[in-house]
Parts: sequence; structure tokens; C-alpha cells
Amino acid sequence: EVVLTQSPGTLSLSPGERATLSCRASQSVSSSYVAWHQQKPGQAPRLLIYGVSSRATGIPDRFSGSGSGTDFTLSISRLEPEDSAVYYCQQYSSSLSFGGGTKVEI
Amino acid sequence: VQLLESGGGLVQPGGSLRLSCAASGFTFNTYAMTWVRQAPGEGLDWVSTITGRGEYTYYADSIKGRFTISRDNSKNTLYLQMTSLRAEDTGVYYCAKHRSGAYSFDAFDIWGQGTMITVSS
Repeated sequence: EVVLTQSPGTLSLSPGERATLSCRASQSVSSSYVAWHQQKPGQAPRLLIYGVSSRATGIPDRFSGSGSGTDFTLSISRLEPEDSAVYYCQQYSSSLSFGGGTKVEI
Repeated sequence: VQLLESGGGLVQPGGSLRLSCAASGFTFNTYAMTWVRQAPGEGLDWVSTITGRGEYTYYADSIKGRFTISRDNSKNTLYLQMTSLRAEDTGVYYCAKHRSGAYSFDAFDIWGQGTMITVSS
């Protein structure tokens, strides 16, 4: 089982700043099978990034993903108040699993 | 493209429940589908996955032997039959569509709105 550990638990930033969210896997994630989802309170999750760095349909280019092996990053530039949410990484290289989430407060 | 879950509610420990997920707007039988749950105030937890034609199913260890995933492609509907329910099964259950039709495991590009299950006496 691939365990994903996200850090930090909470990130408090101001509008216009840049957020950097980390996702570390307990073993190497092959073929770049990492995705990121955004979940706002009371809503279903929404896909932001798949394949480590490909943006899903309709996702602004302020959101970007990077990484390889066991270390992956979601970056959000020029933060807006609407970016306040919990962000989850997901791996689909070996079965499926999610990280514990990072809460971003703007 | 839309997913609409139903079937949630209050059930006693040891009881059973069947969730449904009605799909529309895409060719249902070409995509694997997954159930994901979220306990109150907690993160996302993978439950089960089924391939497009239903030939392969996968389960999280925590529910293996108690839950059964299935699909009826003629009705564009995904199911989750849950038995021997426990308090720790309480949460919102989401169905999710896989982004690509090519793989058993994938990112989820469409999520339903979720249905709440409460296991309590």
C-alpha cells in the first residue's frame, strides 16, 4: 500500500501570495500517476491536476504540479480568496490512495 | 456529465444498505468507476473500484468481504452493496468517474455530490 503524507497540515497566506503544498509517498509512484483534488466546505472534490503536472479541464494556470518518485508538489500562484479549500493528493500507480489533505486559508 | 448518488440514510450497526450512482452525459460502460468515502471532518478514503465492463473489482482492506461494488451498464448505474455496517463506516460516500477509459486505476475527473451514511443505534 502506498501511503501519502501531505504537509503542512494548514497553510495561511494572503491574497496574491504563492502556496506550495507537499505530498510524499512511502514508495516510488511509477509513471507519474499522481493527481491533486480541491475540496471546498460542503462540496464534492474537484480534479485539479493529473499525471503529476497536467491541468484538468477549466483549471486556471495559477495551479501547477510537479515532482517525481516519492516527492510531489502542488503550487498555487497569485492566491485568490476562492482558493481557500482543502487540497488532497492521490496516487493511482499502485491501487488507489489519498493523502490526508492540506487546508489552505486565504 | 453528471453523477447522482442516492440510497444514503441512517442504519443500525450490523445492518445493510445499497447505494446507487446514476451516470449521464458520457459513455458509461467505457469508464472504470470508484466509490470514495469521507468520515465527518476527515479526509478522503478509497473504498472500491470496478472496471468498465465490470470484469474486475478492487476493494480497500477495511471493507473487503462486507461491501460489494457492481454496475448495470444498461441502466448507466453504479452500485455499492454494504453489509455488516459499523459505526466507522459513517460518512459521505461519493462515486467518481475515472478520467481515462484505459486503466483500472486513474485520477477522477467527475465526482458526484455524495450521499450520507450514518451507522448508529
